[in-house]
Amino acid sequence: GQQLNQSPQSMFIQEGEDVSMNCTSSSIFNTWLWYKQDPGEGPVLLIALYKAGELTSNGRLTAQFGITRKDSFLNISASIPSDVGIYFCAGRAVRGNEKLTFGTGTRLTIIP
Amino acid sequence: NAGVTQTPKFQVLKTGQSMTLQCAQDMNHNSMYWYRQDPGMGLRLIYYSASEGTTDKGEVPNGYNVSRLNKREFSLRLESAAPSQTSVYFCASSDRVGDTQYFGPGTRLTVL
Repeated sequence: GQQLNQSPQSMFIQEGEDVSMNCTSSSIFNTWLWYKQDPGEGPVLLIALYKAGELTSNGRLTAQFGITRKDSFLNISASIPSDVGIYFCAGRAVRGNEKLTFGTGTRLTIIP
Repeated sequence: NAGVTQTPKFQVLKTGQSMTLQCAQDMNHNSMYWYRQDPGMGLRLIYYSASEGTTDKGEVPNGYNVSRLNKREFSLRLESAAPSQTSVYFCASSDRVGDTQYFGPGTRLTVL
């Protein structure tokens, strides 16, 4: 089936630092989504991207739909304690199975 | 709107017992999904229902059955629970397969 490679698997950063994570796929996608999962909760949608090159912000979060259509990036600026959690990318391939495929997640920990 | 609701929130079973996890959505979505989340494994799709009256296997369907009771409700049944089914189970819904999914808060299941 479809594979999404999300990296890094985990990050340990200090409060105030910027964060970058990415997802790459083996095929071309027409939708990229970024979710955040707080401890003990279900994933919540942060940003949705539908066009190659699209750059979308949600507060301190910015995500980009890669121009190759095989990757996406999420940046968090000036991290704060409530940014802790697991970030998942998800995407829908142009061809083949139309279901969303989820990455394995990036676990963000903030060191006080 | 409650979005996606799941019951119960926590459950402990003994090996061989059966139980049904309930999920309901009030967003008038056509498609619903069941995932399990294990440490380091991300979200794995168990079953999904593209529309009322249809169900299909996902990535890890063995040991589970589902019922799309009506447009709002999608239940997941474990007929004979095994310790390997200890996990956190998430229900999600979307307008159509491949669209943005919205998740419930999860059910934490332990099988002893």
